[in-house]
Amino acid sequence: EAGVAQSPRYKIIEKRQSVAFWCNPISGHATLYWYQQILGQGPKLLIQFQNNGVVDDSQLPKDRFSAERLKGVDSTLKIQPAKLEDSAVYLCASSLMTGSTGELFFGEGSRLTVL
Amino acid sequence: AQSVTQLDSQVPVFEEAPVELRCNYSSSVSVYLFWYVQYPNQGLQLLLKYLSGSTLVESINGFEAEFNKSQTSFHLRKPSVHISDTAEYFCAVSENSGGFKTIFGAGTRLFVKA
Repeated sequence: EAGVAQSPRYKIIEKRQSVAFWCNPISGHATLYWYQQILGQGPKLLIQFQNNGVVDDSQLPKDRFSAERLKGVDSTLKIQPAKLEDSAVYLCASSLMTGSTGELFFGEGSRLTVL
Repeated sequence: AQSVTQLDSQVPVFEEAPVELRCNYSSSVSVYLFWYVQYPNQGLQLLLKYLSGSTLVESINGFEAEFNKSQTSFHLRKPSVHISDTAEYFCAVSENSGGFKTIFGAGTRLFVKA
């Protein structure tokens, strides 16, 4: 079974530029999450999708971050314009919904450096 | 609102010594509890989980955690650690609120010394 795929693995940009990250969850997983992990901290939930609908985006900085999950499969997270404090690893995770126990399956992450 | 507190940011320990990584949580509803591990330059992976039933759960590599409802804790233990256990460990709480919402603690860096 293929795992959660993310790209790119690494990205370096200057502040005020834009960046996009892509995630393809495990086949059949209805729920998709984007987490932000700043160095030395635990993952912080940015947005959670159930199929192609948003369940929770309360911690997403909507003035600069956006995310979509068209067709309820893969997802894109965009940052525009980027700030220095956005430097972090962006983790995508997925989980089953029906009969789910809440276990998350993570991708390897996309490391963003904003200069 | 749910929250997770990991009481130790770093735990240095000698090889073959026992270790305990502490985790406390708060939630107003029933929860599932997890420990995830992150090895250097890798993504997070599930170490063990408590869903229901026996309060003591074990992983395949010798870790165990005990759910204590009265103390709202889910501490992770291993009687004898190896160098290869060096990693960051995250405690997580998941509650079913229209789709599972999982909150992570800040992490505990376990450093095993020879």
